[in-house]
Amino acid sequence: EVQLVESGGTFVQPGRSLRLSCAASGFSFDSYVMHWVRQAPGKGLEWVAGINWDSFIVHYADSVKGRFTISRDNARNSLYLQMDSLRPEDTALYYCAKDKGGSLFFYFESWGQGTLVTVSS
Amino acid sequence: EIVLTQSPGTLSLSPGERATLSCRASQSVSRSSLAWYQQKPGHAPRLLMYYASTRATGIPDRFSGSESGTDFTLTISRLEPEDFAVYYCQQYGSSPLTFGGGTKVEIK
Repeated sequence: EVQLVESGGTFVQPGRSLRLSCAASGFSFDSYVMHWVRQAPGKGLEWVAGINWDSFIVHYADSVKGRFTISRDNARNSLYLQMDSLRPEDTALYYCAKDKGGSLFFYFESWGQGTLVTVSS
Repeated sequence: EIVLTQSPGTLSLSPGERATLSCRASQSVSRSSLAWYQQKPGHAPRLLMYYASTRATGIPDRFSGSESGTDFTLTISRLEPEDFAVYYCQQYGSSPLTFGGGTKVEIK
């Protein structure tokens, strides 16, 4: 059974940094594209970033480009999101999601339960 | 960027009724690369459909998807109590991946 467990979400002030983690199990982590998707309170879903199996292909939403960095450690079955220069509009529940594919970006087959990031002064 | 517009925003129906949800793309979505998700309050989204009309594992056949040009439709033939939720479409034909704003199916 696929399991994705996010951690690292917390309350943080604008301009600060935060690193989210996602621990994966139940599948061959090093064979799949992984993503971060966020959902602001009471709002819809927004794709944030994706990374292919060998970290060679990385894409970001324009809203986070230059501030967020997605990475992975296949030896640790872990996905990360380094979030710098945080803004109040980054406040959201951040989901880790497993893609259907290994190199190209497709749809989100499995989701974690999310970790909440609140950016406020 | 492909913008997905979902309508209606809210659908008020009774159990047993048919639900028709729309997702319109601002431009062509290559290779029918559109997925649908269901999200219940306090839960993560769940994949329902991919490539516009292929049901994900374990999804009952009362759920169906179709496509006509840039218009995509999710149909629930007979609403069960557990189907009342928010539904999102998502395109993966081009980067960035984008979602529609969602349709809430509520009990009338």
